[in-house]
Amino acid sequence: EPEVTQTPSHQVTQMGQEVILRCVPISNHLYFYWYRQILGQKVEFLVSFYNNEISEKSEIFDDQFSVERPDGSNFTLKIRSTKLEDSAMYFCASSSVYEQYFGPGTRLTVT
Amino acid sequence: TQLLEQSPQFLSIQEGENLTVYCNSSSVFSSLQWYRQEPGEGPVLLVTVVTGGEVKKLKRLTFQFGDARKDSSLHITAAQPGDTGLYLCAGARYGGATNKLIFGTGTLLAVQP
Repeated sequence: EPEVTQTPSHQVTQMGQEVILRCVPISNHLYFYWYRQILGQKVEFLVSFYNNEISEKSEIFDDQFSVERPDGSNFTLKIRSTKLEDSAMYFCASSSVYEQYFGPGTRLTVT
Repeated sequence: TQLLEQSPQFLSIQEGENLTVYCNSSSVFSSLQWYRQEPGEGPVLLVTVVTGGEVKKLKRLTFQFGDARKDSSLHITAAQPGDTGLYLCAGARYGGATNKLIFGTGTLLAVQP
């Protein structure tokens, strides 16, 4: 069964460093999303992407964040200068219409 | 700010019991999805409901979308220890620019053998 994959599973970085989180969505899906979940809190929407552009972003998704679909399969989230409060699980999701399928997540730890 | 409130937050029951989890909002959703999440893993999709009043069954799990598409429920019949986990509802806002999901507060279910 097709699934969303994410790499790395765990990323540790120092404050101020750039990180790139990678995702491979399900191949025939057209809508891509990033969400995050701070430990013990709700899953929060960050950004949605369709037709090679951002279709919606949340207040969290400021100038330090960017997304890219560099080729036909990968979807990346870049954080330019990480802060301690960026520590969280980051989930990629993809959908064809309503049903969103989530990847296993990348645990980002900023020290 | 839209909120999806789930109740109860925590539920501990014995194997074989029935239970219902509720997901309520004052907002209308175009679709509502139920997920199950294990610690340290991504949410796993259980079901999507789209039509007001819709009922879907997945083995011992029954999902219902309210007529006004503001609320939903998950009913589990004869719970088993394998049902233990965090259950999340998530809705896509009606008339929204995208199908971004707003997640509920979660219900942590523990089924004792």
